[in-house]
Amino acid sequence: RKEVEQDPGPFNVPEGATVAFNCTYSNSASQSFFWYRQDCRKEPKLLMSVYSSGNEDGRFTAQLNRASQYISLLIRDSKLSDSATYLCVVKRGTGGFKTIFGAGTRLFVKA
Amino acid sequence: DAGVTQSPTHLIKTRGQHVTLRCSPISGHKSVSWYQQVLGQGPQFIFQYYEKEERGRGNFPDRFSARQFPNYSSELNVNALLLGDSALYLCASSSGEGGNEKLFFGSGTQLSVL
Repeated sequence: RKEVEQDPGPFNVPEGATVAFNCTYSNSASQSFFWYRQDCRKEPKLLMSVYSSGNEDGRFTAQLNRASQYISLLIRDSKLSDSATYLCVVKRGTGGFKTIFGAGTRLFVKA
Repeated sequence: DAGVTQSPTHLIKTRGQHVTLRCSPISGHKSVSWYQQVLGQGPQFIFQYYEKEERGRGNFPDRFSARQFPNYSSELNVNALLLGDSALYLCASSSGEGGNEKLFFGSGTQLSVL
């Protein structure tokens, strides 16, 4: 079993739709959580950090449930430009960290 | 300001050879980490360096090694290349080593082993 698991998709949604991605992690010592976005043949870029209280950045909302070891990302009013792979990322360690990426969820937004 | 730069962008090697990949972090960033990304998978953590010291290591064989220089640039070395080492190698920098530090990635080195 992988330490960070995501539904690989692909998710095919029309413009304007709301789409949600889930991610689970297995190591309870995990300390920090992020969503990164990766466009085809490009490097990953930080989308947002994820906090226990939940956080929102425009059309994007991230949630963390430490008890269930579950992270989510909600995208509202999807745009064509949201088409990408969304990577769930977990960090753990002390005095140095391991950064664990999920395999990613592919999203295609269609006109 | 320049982002994270990696060189070379593409590389072709044969089995058994060794390779050195280079990374220059964002100015002011003291931490560099390396990742291997195979097509269709997420990046796999290889090493993290902070202030020239190794601070984290992933599950990679001893053929993989790295170092960080006084100017915070870094090299990743891979010896005795195998076909399975073919991948995109990503370098990321961050200002510190804390758990909440955001990673900024370079565009990677695409390594092909024939």
